[in-house]
Amino acid sequence: DVKVTQSSRYLVKRTGEKVFLECVQDMDHENMFWYRQDPGLGLRLIYFSYDVKMKEKGDIPEGYSVSREKKERFSLILESASTNQTSMYLCASSRDREDTGELFFGEGSRLTVL
Amino acid sequence: GNSVTQMEGPVTLSEEAFLTINCTYTATGYPSLFWYVQYPGEGLQLLLKATKADDKGSNKGFEATYRKETTSFHLEKGSVQVSDSAVYFCARIEHGSSNTGKLIFGQGTTLQVKP
Repeated sequence: DVKVTQSSRYLVKRTGEKVFLECVQDMDHENMFWYRQDPGLGLRLIYFSYDVKMKEKGDIPEGYSVSREKKERFSLILESASTNQTSMYLCASSRDREDTGELFFGEGSRLTVL
Repeated sequence: GNSVTQMEGPVTLSEEAFLTINCTYTATGYPSLFWYVQYPGEGLQLLLKATKADDKGSNKGFEATYRKETTSFHLEKGSVQVSDSAVYFCARIEHGSSNTGKLIFGQGTTLQVKP
């Protein structure tokens, strides 16, 4: 089975802490994405990457950064967590740049910032 | 602007009822359209898609037809089951010089099916 694995299902952090969310895919996909999911707002794109060491801002990048040192791994970093970053974070991957839009999602990481 | 709008939920139905979840989009051109489903405790997975006008996507008894005249992609199922209880997301692809393959999602519609 193809798989996107997110390292933590549930995290609780304090305001100001640095937070790392890890995502690994085993499908040799070129593209990887980080979304956040909030009730009534659907999924909003934070950052995405089309290649190793390459990143592009999505719609809501403020307060976040990413790292893609290896093709299979895409990390989301909250440099200084704030309460408004309490959310469900979803990682996804897709095959290549001309892909027709089929994304494969991880199960999500629910982050609570106190 | 470019967006995807779904009907608000939750939608509550009895088993074997007919389901419609409305989705409309705004975009320049004719983007590919998708329905994703998120079962409780899981990530999203692709349910069906349509890549051009008048195409009908179908899977697991669900259908959606790409209607360019009404810019809609409504999801339908003739007879829902309790196992269809989930959150459904409509999405469209965003084309552009640096955005190929990026999806724009609607806000999601929760479906609850009661036995």
